[in-house]
Amino acid sequence: DTAVSQTPKYLVTQMGNDKSIKCEQNLGHDTMYWYKQDSKKFLKIMFSYNNKELIINETVPNRFSPKSPDKAHLNLHINSLELGDSAVYFCASSQLAGGGTQYFGPGTRLTVL
Amino acid sequence: AQRVTQPEKLLSVFKGAPVELKCNYSYSGSPELFWYVQYSRQRLQLLLRHISRESIKGFTADLNKGETSFHLKKPFAQEEDSAMYYCALKDGTGFQKLVFGTGTRLLVSP
Repeated sequence: DTAVSQTPKYLVTQMGNDKSIKCEQNLGHDTMYWYKQDSKKFLKIMFSYNNKELIINETVPNRFSPKSPDKAHLNLHINSLELGDSAVYFCASSQLAGGGTQYFGPGTRLTVL
Repeated sequence: AQRVTQPEKLLSVFKGAPVELKCNYSYSGSPELFWYVQYSRQRLQLLLRHISRESIKGFTADLNKGETSFHLKKPFAQEEDSAMYYCALKDGTGFQKLVFGTGTRLLVSP
C-alpha cells in the first residue's frame, strides 16, 4: 500500500521520559511534516523537512527534535516529556512542486502520565 | 498573519438536510484553500481544494474573496458525512505550510 505510516499508534509514558515517533512515506514525496493535534482537536504544524532539510520550524520547545535520515522518513524525538505534550501527532507528506495536497499518517496518540 | 476561522465547533443536522460549514480566512496574499476531513478513527484526508473547483461526495466550496470565505456546502447530508472537517489555508512562502482552522464536527442524525 502506498501511504504515510507512523509508529507507534499509541504511546503511554511517564513524565520526564524521552520517546520517539517514526514516520515513513512511500509516495515519493520530497516534503514531510509533523503536526500536533491537541485535546480540543486543534491542528498546528510543528516542523517540515524538504529533501532532508528543515524548512519550517514553528515555535516548538527545543525538547522536540525532528530528524530526517532520508526524504522518505521523518522521525520526531521528544526529550523530558511533559503532561502538556499529550496529544495526537500526525505526520504528513507532499510534493513541494505538486500543488500542496498533503497526505497524512494515521496519527500517534501520546499520553504522558 | 494568516488565520483560518471556523466559528462552529459542532454542527448537528438531520439526514437529508442542507449543510453549510463556515470558514473565513485572513491572508494578505492570494490564498489557496482546502477542506480536509477526518472520519472517526481515520486519518485526515483531503476533501477538496478551491483551485480544483470540484465536487467531492456531493460537497462543494466556493472561494469568496470579497467575504474572505470558503464555506463548505452539501445540499442533502448523509449519515456517513459525520466527521470532523478542517478548513486550511496554504501560505505563499512556497513551503506549503498549511494553517488549519479549529475544525467543525458535523453530526448527521437519522
